[in-house]
Amino acid sequence: QLQLRESGPGLVKPSETLSLTCTVSGDSVYNSDYFWGWIRQAPGKGLEWIGTIYYDGGTYYNPSLKSRVTISVDMSKNQFSLRVISVSAADTAVYYCASKLTSKGYGFDVWGQGTTVTVSS
Amino acid sequence: SYELTQPPSVSVSPGQTAGITCSGNNLEQKYVCWYQQKPGQSPLLVIYQDVKRPAGIPERFSGSNSGNTATLTISGTQAVDEADYYCQAWDSSPAGMFGGGTKLTVL
Repeated sequence: QLQLRESGPGLVKPSETLSLTCTVSGDSVYNSDYFWGWIRQAPGKGLEWIGTIYYDGGTYYNPSLKSRVTISVDMSKNQFSLRVISVSAADTAVYYCASKLTSKGYGFDVWGQGTTVTVSS
Repeated sequence: SYELTQPPSVSVSPGQTAGITCSGNNLEQKYVCWYQQKPGQSPLLVIYQDVKRPAGIPERFSGSNSGNTATLTISGTQAVDEADYYCQAWDSSPAGMFGGGTKLTVL
């Protein structure tokens, strides 16, 4: 059974870089059947898709975040990661990693429990 | 970027049918998914490919997508269905924007 778990610092200073990791268990991050994604939710707000990555490293980003976001895959650790540069208070949110099958029209059907990141000095 | 519009809130009486809409330009040309999120929980996929239910999702959840509007319908709404609901649209690439979300109140 596929499971995902987010990890990373809960507090990041303004202008610094936010780095989170999603550890995949129950399957391989190299499985070509899946896309891997990051989604966030600011306090009291809705879901915001950040980006999606495929096992071959192909990435797709939300245009509003594209200039500050990088998603990567680490096959050796069976993980994928999120990096957001130049953070501000607006990046304070619960960050979720999730997976979806590659078939067209599938949604994110496996989610991590989410990790809270606060941007504050 | 592609935008999806949902009503902020919908109210329904127990046992009645709730409809939550999601609007976007030529939305019928995309696949729509729906998620349910309860307080403090991760989102749960309840509809994918416009109309399909994942295993374990009750039959009272159904979806449709036509023209510029997709609709999540909950028949015989129960108190346990009270939650926030989000639509998400996918085109040929795995880029999926979310709607703003709808708070469903069962009263």
